[in-house]
Amino acid sequence: AQSVTQLDSHVSVSEGTPVLLRCNYSSSYSPSLFWYVQHPNKGLQLLLKYTSAATLVKGINGFEAEFKKSETSFHLTKPSAHMSDAAEYFCVVIQPGSNYQLIWGAGTKLIIKP
Amino acid sequence: DAGVTQSPTHLIKTRGQQVTLRCSPKSGHDTVSWYQQALGQGPQFIFQYYEEEERQRGNFPDRFSGHQFPNYSSELNVNALLLGDSALYLCASSLGRPTGNTEAFFGQGTRLTVV
Repeated sequence: AQSVTQLDSHVSVSEGTPVLLRCNYSSSYSPSLFWYVQHPNKGLQLLLKYTSAATLVKGINGFEAEFKKSETSFHLTKPSAHMSDAAEYFCVVIQPGSNYQLIWGAGTKLIIKP
Repeated sequence: DAGVTQSPTHLIKTRGQQVTLRCSPKSGHDTVSWYQQALGQGPQFIFQYYEEEERQRGNFPDRFSGHQFPNYSSELNVNALLLGDSALYLCASSLGRPTGNTEAFFGQGTRLTVV
């Protein structure tokens, strides 16, 4: 069965510094992976997705993620954090063996210090 | 083009009562999924509707039921509310049967508080 582990519950960075949010997955299949962002009192928004094409995936708002099969990782990065990036971030894997159900990580809260 | 809309945005119910939450999918979408997100946790899949039938179900008791209408909108019903049902309920819509490439669009959620 697929699973997703987000290695940090909270990440705190200063504005203008790089962001790294870590995600590891386990999958018996070639996975499809997503990152979603949830701002306070707002719905979930898709940041980017990997579906077996290019391993470096670019998303919205300057975020990107790299799929590394050897490390079973899909870490989310951004070169320079902005105050508006403060939110909860979720790593998600699709489980094809169960009608493509979304399997969610527990989330990482990104805090931006001025 | 309206995105996914949910109503109401907030709701307070008493333990033992019943509640109905509503969702209108993004224009052109025909598949609706419901999720429960407890405070500080990731969303948990409740069920998915496609062509007016429940196609998949997560690990939730029968107190949680749903319906999809011919216009693809959907309702989530929860009977005999428990304090532990307090959560943000999210609706997501997508197009067609799910695949590995399906992108789900989410509403802002309904915050249910059971007292």
